[in-house]
Order: sequence, then structure tokens, then C-alpha cells
Amino acid sequence: QQQVKQSPQSLIVQKGGISIINCAYENTAFDYFPWYQQFPGKGPALLIAIRPDVSEKKEGRFTISFNKSAKQFSLHIMDSQPGDSATYFCAANNAGNMLTFGGGTRLMVKP
Amino acid sequence: ETGVTQSPTHLIKTRGQQVTLRCSSQSGHNTVSWYQQALGQGPQFIFQYYREEENGRGNFPPRFSGLQFPNYSSELNVNALELDDSALYLCASSLGTSDYNEQFFGPGTRLTVL
Repeated sequence: QQQVKQSPQSLIVQKGGISIINCAYENTAFDYFPWYQQFPGKGPALLIAIRPDVSEKKEGRFTISFNKSAKQFSLHIMDSQPGDSATYFCAANNAGNMLTFGGGTRLMVKP
Repeated sequence: ETGVTQSPTHLIKTRGQQVTLRCSSQSGHNTVSWYQQALGQGPQFIFQYYREEENGRGNFPPRFSGLQFPNYSSELNVNALELDDSALYLCASSLGTSDYNEQFFGPGTRLTVL
């Protein structure tokens, strides 16, 4: 059972544009929502994370928006750059730091 | 301080064989989690070890087993390999089991089962 659904599966954005990736979850026991970035041949690396008592978190060009009542959260990448081209995973965590990942979004930023 | 390392990088096995994958956790980290990432999909949680004990397990059969050693390095063993076991196996280490402890991932071991 997929407990975290992620969309879109792939995304093409022009340099300088905004990339938006959405996730929805089912398990209301989740209490931590990290986003990971993965480059080919590498393991995922933590990008930014949010707790459910906060509606938005911003770090540089990356922002998480969180809607607890809708059980949805999203990643916004402002001023997208070619170096941002990677696969992005949303995830959710509860009960002992065991991550449940979404299916991933392959982002391509065109120069 | 070294990051999470995994060995081997790639591995090819045939159906029915057994495989052992290894992970060295980041210095000071006492918790190791293993994930299976099929091609084009998100990682799936296999199990977690905390201070040499299994601390949690995902929806994987018993032929997936593991160990954690006193230095907190870890092994993932898979018996009776099946074609669907072909995947990237990731280990991640963290300092403790709190949901808010960042997990640091290794580069993975690519397992191909023929």
C-alpha cells in the first residue's frame, strides 16, 4: 500500500522558472515530512523538511507548503537552475525514523 | 569524518543464490536503516537496526535479514534471490531513532538477479 503519493512523475521547467512537486499522505500518524534530492549514481540527500505544526518552511530557493487538513504537502523550487535537475522524493516519518517515500519526480531544468 | 559507505557497488547474482551487502555508518551514528529502490521508484523501507538490535521492519519477507555490529556497521542478507530482488539497495545512518534525526544515505549497491 502506497501511503505517500507523489506527482508529477516527471517535470520539465525552463531555467528561472518555478518547479512544483506535490505529495499526499494517508497516515495521520506521520509527524515529519522531509524532501530528498537524488542525483544519478548517488543516494538520496536531505533537502528540506517540515513538521506538521508548521504551514510553510523556506530555505533559500526551496519552500515546503504543508496543508494538514488536506493531508498534502508540496515542494516549490524558485528560480530553478539546470543544476537542480535530479529526482526528488517526498517522504513521511513516524514511530522511529522509518521513512515512507513517494514514487519520485524526475525534474529537468532546461537552460 | 567519513560519510556512509556501501560495498560492493554492483553485484550480479542468479535466482536462488544468497547475497550479503555491507554498510559502514557515518562516524558516531548508532542507527542503520536499509531501503530497496526498484528502478524508477521511491525507496522502500526494509528494516532498521539500533545498537545491534532490529528496531523495526517493513513489508519484506524473512529471507531479508540483517545484522549490526558493535562498530554500528551493518549487513543486509538476502536468501533465495528472486528476479524482483533486482534493485538499488540503500543504507542510511542516523544518530538515534527519533523521527527528526536526519538519515544520511550511502550511494547504494546495485543488485542484478538473472
